Amino acid sequence: GQQLNQSPQSMFIQEGEDVSMNCTSSSIFNTWLWYKQDPGEGPVLLIALYKAGELTSNGRLTAQFGITRKDSFLNISASIPSDVGIYFCAGQLNGNQFYFGTGTSLTVIP
Amino acid sequence: DAGITQSPRHKVTETGTPVTLRCHQTENHRYMYWYRQDPGHGLRLIHYSYGVKDTDKGEVSDGYSVSRSKTEDFLLTLESATSSQTSVYFCAISGRADYNEQFFGPGTRLTVL
Repeated sequence: GQQLNQSPQSMFIQEGEDVSMNCTSSSIFNTWLWYKQDPGEGPVLLIALYKAGELTSNGRLTAQFGITRKDSFLNISASIPSDVGIYFCAGQLNGNQFYFGTGTSLTVIP
Repeated sequence: DAGITQSPRHKVTETGTPVTLRCHQTENHRYMYWYRQDPGHGLRLIHYSYGVKDTDKGEVSDGYSVSRSKTEDFLLTLESATSSQTSVYFCAISGRADYNEQFFGPGTRLTVL
């Protein structure tokens, strides 16, 4: 199955720093989604993007749908300890099938 | 949060026994999915449903079957569990109006001894 390339695989940052992560694909997607997963829980949808070039914010989170439709970026500003977790990207190609990145593990050091 | 529940949340079983996991939604979403999540593999699609009694295979469907007799319920069955099916299983839903968003349940941790 198709898998998206997500980077970096892990990040260790100081509280208050900004974070950037991205996701790339060899295929064009119609929708990009970003999720956060805490240990022992299911992924929670953070941001959904529907149009090439779209920039969407959710509090301290900002995500962009790349203009080539083959990539997406997630930024977290002024990180706090509760941002710790694994962040996944997902792309929807056609129909209602979704493809997932391998995740970025974020550790925030107080 | 989307109204998705999974049961059981944890299960330990023995090799060769049948196991059924249940997903229940209160959101009236058309599509329902079963994924498994394993270290190093991320989320992999097992089966999905696009309506009552309409299902299709995903990339890792061998050893699994599904049924959907009602919009709100999607069952995943392991006919004869194997140790390779030890995993965390997530149900997901999508299909609300024009929005291609997918929402996940809390997961079921299955251990096959």
